[in-house]
Amino acid sequence: GAGVSQSPSNKVTEKGKDVELRCDPISGHTALYWYRQSLGQGLEFLIYFQGNSAPDKSGLPSDRFSAERTGGSVSTLTIQRTQQEDSAVYLCASSFGTGHHGDTQYFGPGTRLTVL
Amino acid sequence: GESVGLHLPTLSVQEGDNSIINCAYSNSASDYFIWYKQESGKGPQFIIDIRSNMDKRQGQRVTVLLNKTVKHLSLQIAATQPGDSAVYFCAEKTGGGNKLTFGTGTQLKVEL
Repeated sequence: GAGVSQSPSNKVTEKGKDVELRCDPISGHTALYWYRQSLGQGLEFLIYFQGNSAPDKSGLPSDRFSAERTGGSVSTLTIQRTQQEDSAVYLCASSFGTGHHGDTQYFGPGTRLTVL
Repeated sequence: GESVGLHLPTLSVQEGDNSIINCAYSNSASDYFIWYKQESGKGPQFIIDIRSNMDKRQGQRVTVLLNKTVKHLSLQIAATQPGDSAVYFCAEKTGGGNKLTFGTGTQLKVEL
């Protein structure tokens, strides 16, 4: 079946502009995650949605970052007033959301954001 | 703070040899560990996982070893192939949460 998809694949923006990144999870997955990967670095957790529960926003680096998930499916990560340090690959993952070990997270290809 | 890290940033092996990628973790409360493979331009791909009540788990050509005494995790790839060239990340979960904490990654290069 289809995997996690993300759009756009690449985004170049100017400092100070707002950007929206989209994630379409695997059908049937109730859990959705956003991570950020800076060049040559590991993945940094940003936010996690599970069903209708309040999202875990503990990884968001500043109040310029926000995310929503509409209808329990598609998610949008918004970065307001982008800064050059926001340049990174933004990865989305989804899982069945059982909460158990072995609830594998499947990743999308990511959106490469470049802030000039 | 708590962290998961890797000993070697780059590992070069000859095709056909076995590869060993290492990972150190510092959170003794972590009870589940995963290895991911990331090819250039793609998202991480699940390889194998292991729970803290185990010390070894085998998959197809891969084996994960967990040493809780020294908080060390390793991924062994048998008969390494060119298609194994990628960055490998270890990740951990702590308690009942779903959030993954990733290490910085090891670049595996397979030489022909």
